[in-house]
Amino acid sequence: QVHLQESGPRLVKPSETLSLTCTVSGYSITNGYYWAWIRQAPGEGLEWIGRIFHRGHTYYNPSLESRVSISVDTSKNQFSLRLNSVTAADTAFYYCAREVGSYYFEHWGQGTLVTVSS
Amino acid sequence: SSELTQPPSVSVSPGQTATIICSGDALPNQYGNWYQQKPGQAPVLVIYSDYERPSGIPERFSGSRSGTTATLTISGVQAEDEADYYCQSADSRGTYRVDFGGGTKLTVL
Repeated sequence: QVHLQESGPRLVKPSETLSLTCTVSGYSITNGYYWAWIRQAPGEGLEWIGRIFHRGHTYYNPSLESRVSISVDTSKNQFSLRLNSVTAADTAFYYCAREVGSYYFEHWGQGTLVTVSS
Repeated sequence: SSELTQPPSVSVSPGQTATIICSGDALPNQYGNWYQQKPGQAPVLVIYSDYERPSGIPERFSGSRSGTTATLTISGVQAEDEADYYCQSADSRGTYRVDFGGGTKLTVL
């Protein structure tokens, strides 16, 4: 059973960097699939942030591309998100997910609320 | 703004059929996928590749795609189906961009 769990600071100051890690259990990242980040502002819809393949290839949402970076640590079976220069508009629930063939998201973490505030 | 358009809300009585439509100009060339999200929970995949149903999803959930429209149909709606539903597609040949619809709140009367 694949399980994903997000972790990281829940409160980030404006202009600083948001950093989250997704720990995967029940499946080795090196066996394949894409690994993605998706966010949802409170009361709003879903927004795809980007994805990474276990070999390191990344694809980002063009609207966030200048501020986002996704990396993978296969030794820890984790992948991570960094979002620079955050503002209040980046306050959201952040989900990590396993993406099948860059088509759909079949397994999701429970999500973590990150608040941007001074 | 989302490249996929959904109605904000749909209401049905228990036992009836709910139909949620997702419109997008890129849909003729992309699969449609659907997620159910209940309050305080992560989204759950209910339909992928237009009409495929993941293991554990009840048979009353079905999907289709034609032209610029993808459709989620829930037959014999139950109270537990009340949730937000999001359509999603992905460009698999060019930008690999992912789009979500704005979501539809399904209310079971």
